[in-house]
Amino acid sequence: GAVVSQHPSWVICKSGTSVKIECRSLDFQATTMFWYRQFPKQSLMLMATSNEGSKATYEQGVEKDKFLINHASLTLSTLTVTSAHPEDSSFYICSARTSGRAGTGELFFGEGSRLTVL
Amino acid sequence: AQSVTQPDIHITVSEGASLELRCNYSYGATPYLFWYVQSPGQGLQLLLKYFSGDTLVQGIKGFEAEFKRSQSSFNLRKPSVHWSDAAEYFCAVATNQAGTALIFGKGTTLSVSS
Repeated sequence: GAVVSQHPSWVICKSGTSVKIECRSLDFQATTMFWYRQFPKQSLMLMATSNEGSKATYEQGVEKDKFLINHASLTLSTLTVTSAHPEDSSFYICSARTSGRAGTGELFFGEGSRLTVL
Repeated sequence: AQSVTQPDIHITVSEGASLELRCNYSYGATPYLFWYVQSPGQGLQLLLKYFSGDTLVQGIKGFEAEFKRSQSSFNLRKPSVHWSDAAEYFCAVATNQAGTALIFGKGTTLSVSS
């Protein structure tokens, strides 16, 4: 199947710094990518939908100025956690949808990025 | 709004025994339903999905799921569990096939005892 890769897989940063997480579709083009956040023992919560060449669509309650999403190309979306605080520590997972005939795109998930803010 | 409920937080099954993981959804129209598996520190892997047609869906790794509209359920089953099946299982619903994000249940952790 298609491959979605995230980098870094694990990052530790100091409170107040910004961290960028990359999500790449390695063997397909993805016009739409999704960013999820997963707390320990919890489900995945959708943060935002990232559309290539346009602004991301954020879910209710997600601070768009804190979680900056950029989808500059068909194979790369980035999530930047700005001025990170310990409560931002979490597992961030991206997914990308393959394109093609409408209704047949399949979602593929990255391996996740664990952020720890000290 | 659509939602997904997985009633069982943690299930332990003996190796070789059968497995059923429960999933109930809430959505007014025909849902698109998915089961994903997540191993520790890993992303999610699609096990199977239901869009339409036969309500019994076959997936990878010997899993199957049955869509029951009357019960708003999409339970995952496997006749004989292997130790490698120990993982976190997520049920998810989408409101359409294309261009939409998934809404996930809270997950069920499966432990397999020898």
